[in-house]
Amino acid sequence: GDSVTQMEGPVTLSEEAFLTINCTYTATGYPSLFWYVQYPGEGLQLLLKATKADDKGSNKGFEATYRKETTSFHLEKGSVQVSDSAVYFCALRIAGGYQKVTFGTGTKLQVIP
Amino acid sequence: EAQVTQNPRYLITVTGKKLTVTCSQNMNHEYMSWYRQDPGLGLRQIYYSMNVEVTDKGDVPEGYKVSRKEKRNFPLILESPSPNQTSLYFCASSSGTGFTGELFFGEGSRLTVL
Repeated sequence: GDSVTQMEGPVTLSEEAFLTINCTYTATGYPSLFWYVQYPGEGLQLLLKATKADDKGSNKGFEATYRKETTSFHLEKGSVQVSDSAVYFCALRIAGGYQKVTFGTGTKLQVIP
Repeated sequence: EAQVTQNPRYLITVTGKKLTVTCSQNMNHEYMSWYRQDPGLGLRQIYYSMNVEVTDKGDVPEGYKVSRKEKRNFPLILESPSPNQTSLYFCASSSGTGFTGELFFGEGSRLTVL
C-alpha cells in the first residue's frame, strides 16, 4: 500500500537556523506530494505541493522538491522564525486513487528565540 | 470566505450516547472526507465521499457512519461511542476528481468519550 515516512520529532531549533524535515514515500501509483502545516489549535492547511517529478513547491520561504529517483519530498527553510513553530505533515495522493490521501505521522517543530 | 465548518469544536460524552459531528463547506467541492488524528499515528481516514449519495470506507471506519444528502454537508455519526473513539476529528474537502487537488480542512472537533 501507500505510505509516507517522516522524521521523528520534536525538532527544536533556534531562530534563523536552517530547517530540514525529511519525508520519503512509497506509492502504488503516480503521486502528487504535499506538505501541510498545523498551527496550535487549528486545522491543517496546505503549505506547498508538487504534482510531478522534479517540480519544486514553495511558499512562505519553505521549499520542497519532488524527487522520484529517491522517492523523497524533503521540506527546507533557510531561516526559521518563532512563528514557524507548528506540526508539519507530509502527504501523498495518487492518480487513479485520489480518494485516499495518505499522511505521515507529523513532525513537531519548535523554534526558540 | 471559503471555509469548512465543523461543529461542535469540543464535546465530552458518555459511552453509548449517539452523537453527530456536522461538517459543511461553502466551496462547492465534490470530495469530502473525515479523518481522526491521534498522537503518533498522524491522520487516518475514516470515510470519504466523492459526491452526493456516494460514500465509501477509509482506513478506520469501524464505529462510524456518514451520509451525503447534500453537496455541502457531510456529517459524521457515532451511533454508540466508545472510549477508543476519543480523538481529534477533522473534516476536509477538495474540488474536482483529480489527484493534484489540495485538501481544505475544518478547525477540528475534539471528542472525549467517558
